[in-house]
Amino acid sequence: AQTVTQSQPEMSVQEAETVTLSCTYDTSESDYYLFWYKQPPSRQMILVIRQEAYKQQNATENRFSVNFQKAAKSFSLKISDSQLGDAAMYFCAYRSPNTGNQFYFGTGTSLTVIP
Amino acid sequence: DAGVIQSPRHEVTEMGQEVTLRCKPISGHNSLFWYRQTMMRGLELLIYFNNNVPIDDSGMPEDRFSAKMPNASFSTLKIQPSEPRDSAVYFCASSSRSPLHFGNGTRLTVT
Repeated sequence: AQTVTQSQPEMSVQEAETVTLSCTYDTSESDYYLFWYKQPPSRQMILVIRQEAYKQQNATENRFSVNFQKAAKSFSLKISDSQLGDAAMYFCAYRSPNTGNQFYFGTGTSLTVIP
Repeated sequence: DAGVIQSPRHEVTEMGQEVTLRCKPISGHNSLFWYRQTMMRGLELLIYFNNNVPIDDSGMPEDRFSAKMPNASFSTLKIQPSEPRDSAVYFCASSSRSPLHFGNGTRLTVT
């Protein structure tokens, strides 16, 4: 089975600064999808950004961007101009189209934004 | 699109009672997932369905847990009898091609 690893249980960033959250995954598949989800204290799981493995261009959504390194099986999330509302748990996820649309989640990184 | 709808939002019950959690996926989504989230174990996949058929239930902790999807617009997760260690937030999520859309979760407390 595919595994997703988030090696940073906790991170902090000063407001307006940039922070990068790490994610690596293990797979033998060539076609798959990667996601970052945000879970604020309200517990709602919110999709932040997605990346298709066949696309070489890194996905960007406003202040959120990814650094997708397919050969290294790395998928980091960069948050620019951090805001207080960015404080949350962030989960990296892998979706396999070849195993019945199964999703695999990392253990999460808790991000604190310091005013 | 109302999103994935879960009910109830909160459930408090006594040990030994039956608990039923409900989920309405997004219309047109053919995959439905049940997850459990706790501080100790994080986000765990319990079971998922494709086209109303259970595909993988290896995450269901024990026989006290059961899940059904009688049609494309409704699923239940039942715990009978409930135990204090079942206390957690239970998420339902649905997907079509990509990505996964989550409901707001049910916070279950078993006393």
